[in-house]
Amino acid sequence: DIVMTQTPLSLSVTPGQPASISCKSSQSLLFGDGKTYLYWFLQKPGQPPQPLIYAVSSRFSGVPNRFSGSGSGTDFTLIISRVEAEDVGIYYCMQSVQFPLTFGGGTKVEIK
Amino acid sequence: EVQLVESGGDVVQPAGSLRLSCAVSGFTFGDYWMTWVRQAPGKGPEWVATINPDGSERYYVDSVKGRFTISRDNAKNSLYLQLNSLRAEDTADYYCARYFRAETPYYRLDCWGQGTLVTVSS
Repeated sequence: DIVMTQTPLSLSVTPGQPASISCKSSQSLLFGDGKTYLYWFLQKPGQPPQPLIYAVSSRFSGVPNRFSGSGSGTDFTLIISRVEAEDVGIYYCMQSVQFPLTFGGGTKVEIK
Repeated sequence: EVQLVESGGDVVQPAGSLRLSCAVSGFTFGDYWMTWVRQAPGKGPEWVATINPDGSERYYVDSVKGRFTISRDNAKNSLYLQLNSLRAEDTADYYCARYFRAETPYYRLDCWGQGTLVTVSS
């Protein structure tokens, strides 16, 4: 199984400041079609995970452009360019290059 | 508007069974792979099972193989998860999610239901 490791465990950010979350996979997430199957989700209390980023760096429909993703192979980063109060919650990375799909342990983002 | 609505969650005794349902609307259900993801209280999400559009391919996390069965009825726009031999560690919110369709294989898990709670307890 592919292990997904996120850092940091938690982050406290001043509104308007940037935030960065790292995600590392134990194997390459590059598939034979040339796409890298790395995803980012945000989960707010009492809600299902909401999709943010697919295939490393593309935003799902409706996701604000302050969210961006980068990386390749086994090393990935989610950046929030200017954190807003509504961005609080737990962020998860996930791989779907092979079954079982696996999630990172999560990064809790709070507002200072 | 795309909607996924789960139902069937309940309190059940260890070794008991449940059938979860996910009713979908707002898209062509038969074009999509579908997935169940669960989340135990205070834990992160865990993938459970995935099924292809015609039901001929099914994939499971090891911890549920032989106990859970994913299925679908495209005529009824519904996804199911049969849970047998339930254990305390199966206690979780169970979410159905739209996985992907063939035309956009990388656009995955873009829509989720609100979840249904399964509690396994004596």
